[in-house]
Amino acid sequence: GENVEQHPSTLSVQEGDSAVIKCTYSDSASNYFPWYKQELGKGPQLIIDIRSNVGEKKDQRIAVTLNKTAKHFSLHITETQPEDSAVYFCAASLYSSASKIIFGSGTRLSIRP
Amino acid sequence: GAGVSQSPSNKVTEKGKDVELRCDPISGHTALYWYRQSLGQGLEFLIYFQGNSAPDKSGLPSDRFSAERTGGSVSTLTIQRTQQEDSAVYLCASSSQGGSTEAFFGQGTRLTVV
Repeated sequence: GENVEQHPSTLSVQEGDSAVIKCTYSDSASNYFPWYKQELGKGPQLIIDIRSNVGEKKDQRIAVTLNKTAKHFSLHITETQPEDSAVYFCAASLYSSASKIIFGSGTRLSIRP
Repeated sequence: GAGVSQSPSNKVTEKGKDVELRCDPISGHTALYWYRQSLGQGLEFLIYFQGNSAPDKSGLPSDRFSAERTGGSVSTLTIQRTQQEDSAVYLCASSSQGGSTEAFFGQGTRLTVV
């Protein structure tokens, strides 16, 4: 089955700097890669996603890149702000109507003022 | 409200007791997922429903865990003879089409086994 590994487990960056979180997946059949943000005491919430027919996607300060050959995908947050502090999860699934979503172990991002 | 609703939000139970956790998905969502999140840990997949059937229940940790979904809507996760290692936050999510679309999570049920 699918296995998703995520690094680093914790990340601390200065406000205004960039943050990068990296994930790898094992199942070459996976073709949908969402990223979720979880704030304290809340359920995870989708922030951006990418499908395997696209190499990069950007939404304001957030971008995701995908390397299908290497089975790597990454989240990039630029100009970090205090409200970016949270736990971030990558995930992988099959783009079909019957597929589970497998999550990475999470990255706790802290933004230093 | 239009979000995923889970109840109870907190549950403290004695070791050996059975517990039921409930999830009300977003209306019309055919896919429903259960995950377990231990303190400071990631999201451990438990089971996935498409409609009332469970194509994948591979994540259930033992035969003490079971789940059902009725009417393509509400789902119940049951843990029998609870153990201390079952203590965690149990998260439910739903999506309109399964793995290819956004999954909306509930707030979770924090289960503490004493």
